[in-house]
Amino acid sequence: QQQVKQSPQSLIVQKGGISIINCAYENTAFDYFPWYQQFPGKGPALLIAIRPDVSEKKEGRFTISFNKSAKQFSLHIMDSQPGDSATYFCAASEGGGSRLTFGEGTQLTVNP
Amino acid sequence: DVKVTQSSRYLVKRTGEKVFLECVQDMDHENMFWYRQDPGLGLRLIYFSYDVKMKEKGDIPEGYSVSREKKERFSLILESASTNQTSMYLCASSLTDWDEQYFGPGTRLTVT
Repeated sequence: QQQVKQSPQSLIVQKGGISIINCAYENTAFDYFPWYQQFPGKGPALLIAIRPDVSEKKEGRFTISFNKSAKQFSLHIMDSQPGDSATYFCAASEGGGSRLTFGEGTQLTVNP
Repeated sequence: DVKVTQSSRYLVKRTGEKVFLECVQDMDHENMFWYRQDPGLGLRLIYFSYDVKMKEKGDIPEGYSVSREKKERFSLILESASTNQTSMYLCASSLTDWDEQYFGPGTRLTVT
């Protein structure tokens, strides 16, 4: 049973557009929510992370929005670029980042 | 820069063979992890280790074992490989529970 559900499975966006990827979780004890970015042939790399004491975190063009009552969080990529084309994974854990539960992944394609 | 290396990028083994996947990190990290990545399922934790000779089961440990004799090295062992273990295997490490995980490039294992 997938404890973190991610959508959409794939996403195609035009250059300059906004990419939005959503995740929903079930375990209310989760207290750490990272997003990982994976390019073909590479391992995932941490992109941005949030803890539930804030509702939003922004780093450059990347923003996490967090809704604790709905048990949902999302990644927004503003001004999407072809170089952002990758697979994105949301994840969640409780009591630190040791035991991450990952979403299914979203393959993002940004067309030039 | 943190570097996590995995012994092979591609591996082909026969059903019933014993398979060793090796992972080495060069940053004196406490924690090391083994995941498998399958399309539509994201990353699933197999085992992790928080210290030398210490290990804990992840979400899908069946059919796998691990060994951590030295801090920098974490091995995943398939005692008797089966076709349903064909997958991408990713190793990761982190300094402590609250630090990001750094991933290796992965080993694509095919069991025929």
